Amino acid sequence: GAGVSQSPSNKVTEKGKDVELRCDPISGHTALYWYRQRLGQGLEFLIYFQGNSAPDKSGLPSDRFSAERTGESVSTLTIQRTQQEDSAVYLCASSPQLNIQYFGAGTRLSVL
Amino acid sequence: GESVGLHLPTLSVQEGDNSIINCAYSNSASDYFIWYKQESGKGPQFIIDIRSNMDKRQGQRVTVLLNKTVKHLSLQIAATQPGDSAVYFCAELYYNQGGKLIFGQGTELSVKP
Repeated sequence: GAGVSQSPSNKVTEKGKDVELRCDPISGHTALYWYRQRLGQGLEFLIYFQGNSAPDKSGLPSDRFSAERTGESVSTLTIQRTQQEDSAVYLCASSPQLNIQYFGAGTRLSVL
Repeated sequence: GESVGLHLPTLSVQEGDNSIINCAYSNSASDYFIWYKQESGKGPQFIIDIRSNMDKRQGQRVTVLLNKTVKHLSLQIAATQPGDSAVYFCAELYYNQGGKLIFGQGTELSVKP
């Protein structure tokens, strides 16, 4: 595809509900990254995939957060039992070989 | 711990002037430093990078300077244009951690016509 695609672009949910965020990376990019960006803040690393393997899950804030990736393609970030503190923009990036990361436009999550 | 921070949260310049955005970092182990530009409602966009063994790199209208002695990074934008208005982030890239990026807080650049 032309770039990294994320869906939905906006998600409003109620506290306690589960949400799934989707990322379609650039075709052929082996590495995929998830970041969280709170309002007015920098990006906070969550997790990365090399292929469908996730060697580094150190950034996941709690066990309510999980992610998976199918081969070298789509990834989903799941947040269970959402809390208001989870409200943020969730950004996905992909990279051909651990250098420049190309970002999607993000999913803006609002937990009411 | 790992942290990348910025000196100024906002910067306002006149169109045509040069802009300098600064960044301080605390971890010396990173392999690359990268500058990203983020416009409202969009994901960050790569501007320029510099290896940790270099002290200067030039691109089109942009120059990045790295001073490892004082752990300081700067982005210089020549002849700033209204389209340069955005939030600029510096980030450290760690090859041995899968290319993970550690971002600073960001500087908002505002260009006055």
